[in-house]
Amino acid sequence: NAGVTQTPKFRILKIGQSMTLQCTQDMNHNYMYWYRQDPGMGLKLIYYSVGAGITDKGEVPNGYNVSRSTTEDFPLRLELAAPSQTSVYFCASSQGVGSSYEQYFGPGTRLTVT
Amino acid sequence: GNSVTQMEGPVTLSEEAFLTINCTYTATGYPSLFWYVQYPGEGLQLLLKATKADDKGSNKGFEATYRKETTSFHLEKGSVQVSDSAVYFCALSDRGGTSYGKLTFGQGTILTVHP
Repeated sequence: NAGVTQTPKFRILKIGQSMTLQCTQDMNHNYMYWYRQDPGMGLKLIYYSVGAGITDKGEVPNGYNVSRSTTEDFPLRLELAAPSQTSVYFCASSQGVGSSYEQYFGPGTRLTVT
Repeated sequence: GNSVTQMEGPVTLSEEAFLTINCTYTATGYPSLFWYVQYPGEGLQLLLKATKADDKGSNKGFEATYRKETTSFHLEKGSVQVSDSAVYFCALSDRGGTSYGKLTFGQGTILTVHP
């Protein structure tokens, strides 16, 4: 009963470093999403995917890249970390229109860039 | 574009008090509306949803009614418990073919319930 899993839970990066945030879901959902949550703010959509091989930008995509080679995995890549990317990152998945796009969220990755 | 506005927080209540968290929205289309809850140290969980006008979503004693005329989706609970302490997010998604369930969130309301 894993649902959506994310690794790592916490990470500290230096400015200019790169890293990949991992996201895996075991519900065979076609739709997957990456959000960031800044303190006192709601979540903002970074990227989303409607199926393997198909990705698109959300509201705040600058500084990030994604790929979707399988249905299960949707990694988020930070190429040159900046302090503005300090945030909590959530991955989510959805079955789609049949479930009114109800989204299931992972536990989050807390990233600090210093 | 779409936007969601929640009442300013945080909200502090005593156990068994009545809870209301206001949520209003702006949308170009006819959205679906959601309340998500985030318990400390966890990801978000869907609390309830409504997909058309006058629908009432309910779960765990919480209720919210989709009011198209006032573009609102206020969350209510008649008697809160300490275990309800969490952050509550109102959200919407367009129902058009290319929306793909992308969510627009409010800023969240921190609820603390004291014994």
